[in-house]
Order: sequence, then C-alpha cells, then structure tokens
Amino acid sequence: GDSVTQMEGPVTLSEEAFLTINCTYTATGYPSLFWYVQYPGEGLQLLLKATKADDKGSNKGFEATYRKETTSFHLEKGSVQVSDSAVYFCALILSGGSQGNLIFGKGTKLSVKP
Amino acid sequence: KAGVTQTPRYLIKTRGQQVTLSCSPISGHRSVSWYQQTPGQGLQFLFEYFSETQRNKGNFPGRFSGRQFSNSRSEMNVSTLELGDSALYLCASSFRGRANTGELFFGEGSRLTVL
Repeated sequence: GDSVTQMEGPVTLSEEAFLTINCTYTATGYPSLFWYVQYPGEGLQLLLKATKADDKGSNKGFEATYRKETTSFHLEKGSVQVSDSAVYFCALILSGGSQGNLIFGKGTKLSVKP
Repeated sequence: KAGVTQTPRYLIKTRGQQVTLSCSPISGHRSVSWYQQTPGQGLQFLFEYFSETQRNKGNFPGRFSGRQFSNSRSEMNVSTLELGDSALYLCASSFRGRANTGELFFGEGSRLTVL
C-alpha cells in the first residue's frame, strides 16, 4: 500500500547547522507531498508542499524538492534555529482519487541546541 | 480567524467507558478529519466528514465512530475503551473543493488516557 518512510530521530543539531531530514514514499498513483511540523504542545501545521515532480516547496527557510525518480522529498534548511525544534512529518495524498486522507510518516524529532 | 478548536484538551477514562470528543473547524471549512496519534503507530487516519456525510474511513474497529453537524462541527466517539486507545486525537479541517488538497488545519488535540 501507499506509505511514507522518514529517517528515525531524534536529530540533535547546534544552532546554524545544516539540516536534512530524509523522506521517501511509495504510492500507486501520483501523490502530492507535504511536510508538516508539530511544535511542543501544539497540533500539526503545514510547512510546505509540492504537487508534481520537480516542484520545490519552500517556507520559513525550509525547502524540499519532489523527486519522482528517487521517490523522495527530503527536507532541508541551511541554518537551523532553536525555534525550529519540533517534530517534522512527511506526508502524501493521492491526487484526484477517492482516497482523501493524508498518509504520514512516523515523524522525526529535531532538537536544536544554542 | 479562529483556528480549529478541540474539547476537551485532556481527559482520563477507565477501561470499558466511552468518550466523546468535539471539534469546531475553522469558519467556512466544510471538511473535518480525525487522526489518532500514538508514539508507536504515529498518525493514523480515523475518518473524514464533509457536509455531514462520512467520506472516508480508516482501518479502525467499529468502536470508533463520528458524526458531523450542519454547522460543520464534528464529534467522535469511542465506546468500550481499551488501554490501547490512549492517544492524542487530532482534528483537522479544510475547505474541500473538487479534490482534497491535503492542506489541513489541525487543532491542538484531545489527549485521552485510559486507565
């Protein structure tokens, strides 16, 4: 079935370090891909998305490129801040079909130390 | 614009009891989805409602049910609670057009502990 696999955390970085969180997917159709972020004690927030191959989603310094050939959607940020500490979820949804729900990865916890 | 509101935020129940959780979506949003979040299983889809109709359902037993009212507010109910039902239950709303875009707005969740 359709699924999302993320690198396991936790990931601990120092402030201003480069961040990569790997995400790969398996899908029977043509998915849209998302990164959601969950800050401590809060619900999930949409961080960025990409709807077709080679699209790059970006927001708040984060970016991810939809790579169909490697079925990947890795999240990157050039310089992380303490405020980026959160759990990051990669997700997909199949576009235009009857399946109307997001499929999430297990999440990757990021801790950024000052 | 008010966000998605879930009540109660925290609750403790014992095995065998039932629980009802409530979700008020963002004004104008007609689709409400429910997810269960646990450390072991992550985020799992429960069901989605649109215009008072269940549009999609995840792989959960019949003890989990839901409904949506004409004002788009939604409730989910879990009967005969089991220890494994302890989780954070997240509600999300979206303005669903011709296709589900996957852009959901989540509430802060209702944390259920079953003793």
